[in-house]
Amino acid sequence: SQQGEEDPQALSIQEGENATMNCSYKTSINNLQWYRQNSGRGLVHLILIRSNEREKHSGRLRVTLDTSKKSSSLLITASRAADTASYFCATGVEYGNKLVFGAGTILRVKS
Amino acid sequence: DTEVTQTPKHLVMGMTNKKSLKCEQHMGHRAMYWYKQKAKKPPELMFVYSYEKLSINESVPSRFSPECPNSSLLNLHLHALQPEDSALYLCASSQEGWGTGRSYPFGQGTRLTVV
Repeated sequence: SQQGEEDPQALSIQEGENATMNCSYKTSINNLQWYRQNSGRGLVHLILIRSNEREKHSGRLRVTLDTSKKSSSLLITASRAADTASYFCATGVEYGNKLVFGAGTILRVKS
Repeated sequence: DTEVTQTPKHLVMGMTNKKSLKCEQHMGHRAMYWYKQKAKKPPELMFVYSYEKLSINESVPSRFSPECPNSSLLNLHLHALQPEDSALYLCASSQEGWGTGRSYPFGQGTRLTVV
């Protein structure tokens, strides 16, 4: 079953601009992760934020988590054409081995 | 070695064929996963093996048969598939489970086409 919902479904921006993607989920989580997928190939892990964290940075990526609203956002700053991909949030529940993915955002960065 | 390796990368099979997908990791992880991803959709969990035992089967049809011969290897045996089973099949592994707050790599996937 799908836990996370993402918006927007698709985003088109110019190179150099910032891209923000949002993810909402329904149940209690242990952590939330963001993945990138190029051209329908394997998933590349970007960043993980634990339920007791509010913000995390990694290079040009900034992730926030609001557990009271059950939502997260991924900000990519100074986007590049190479950032063009699908981005998925995924939630890990506290017990068990399930990682449930959101619907994904398709990002297109135009050069 | 921090990779999950899947073979083959592409597979075309007829509806009467029997084929297998293979997934391998050498990170000492004790949980391994199969996900199915249809075009323009998110990955959906199929099976989870924990310590070489099947721990989760997400009501997957019996024409998909998973196998975990040892802690490094995960197979997915395919038999009598339907065209709607065409998808990207992804494998992943983790130390103990996603709830530990750790993140682990996915393989590059096998693109399966059923004709």
